[in-house]
Amino acid sequence: DTEVTQTPKHLVMGMTNKKSLKCEQHMGHRAMYWYKQKAKKPPELMFVYSYEKLSINESVPSRFSPECPNSSLLNLHLHALQPEDSALYLCASSQDIEGWTSDHNEQFFGPGTRLTVL
Amino acid sequence: SQQGEEDPQALSIQEGENATMNCSYKTSINNLQWYRQNSGRGLVHLILIRSNEREKHSGRLRVTLDTSKKSSSLLITASRAADTASYFCATDAVVTGGGNKLTFGTGTQLKVEL
Repeated sequence: DTEVTQTPKHLVMGMTNKKSLKCEQHMGHRAMYWYKQKAKKPPELMFVYSYEKLSINESVPSRFSPECPNSSLLNLHLHALQPEDSALYLCASSQDIEGWTSDHNEQFFGPGTRLTVL
Repeated sequence: SQQGEEDPQALSIQEGENATMNCSYKTSINNLQWYRQNSGRGLVHLILIRSNEREKHSGRLRVTLDTSKKSSSLLITASRAADTASYFCATDAVVTGGGNKLTFGTGTQLKVEL
């Protein structure tokens, strides 16, 4: 199984709502990522988890809260978002084994969650 | 901040022609990767070239890397309508705490017409 799944596909929420985005992979990858992508722009890294520990937070506002409950799952909890947070949120995973060469740094992306904040 | 700049921003060609996209970056890299994105969907990895490699092939794809000029190019030969997509280069940096950090270029929108 070489697939990364994301739910929901679409999400509309108000600025006072709390919602969560979910991501799952069963490739045995130990690194997982959240990216944000605005229309006609490249993806921008938000968070990196390695072996279920947060290794990078790219100065993301605290209204975005990541969680990695186990090696296959990655969540992004959303609270009090702003309309400018509307975007495509992409999850990705990659192998993360110490000592491996950089040939194994390919990231596998999910289809994304299209988020609209009203 | 964005690492790479790509040109052209948009490219329109006829089926069967070759498409070339260029990427420039600013800092030292471990490797450089190319990804493809169909409209509004997830990205698909195309090819990875290490910093000590100069050229790499995969099917109809040819990637070059010039670390002295901090630039890379992606050539798609004999293009097909199904190649219509956005193409992004991404520079790769290993993260101290684990994982790897991809910084994407601005992207090239390729349209292949029948």
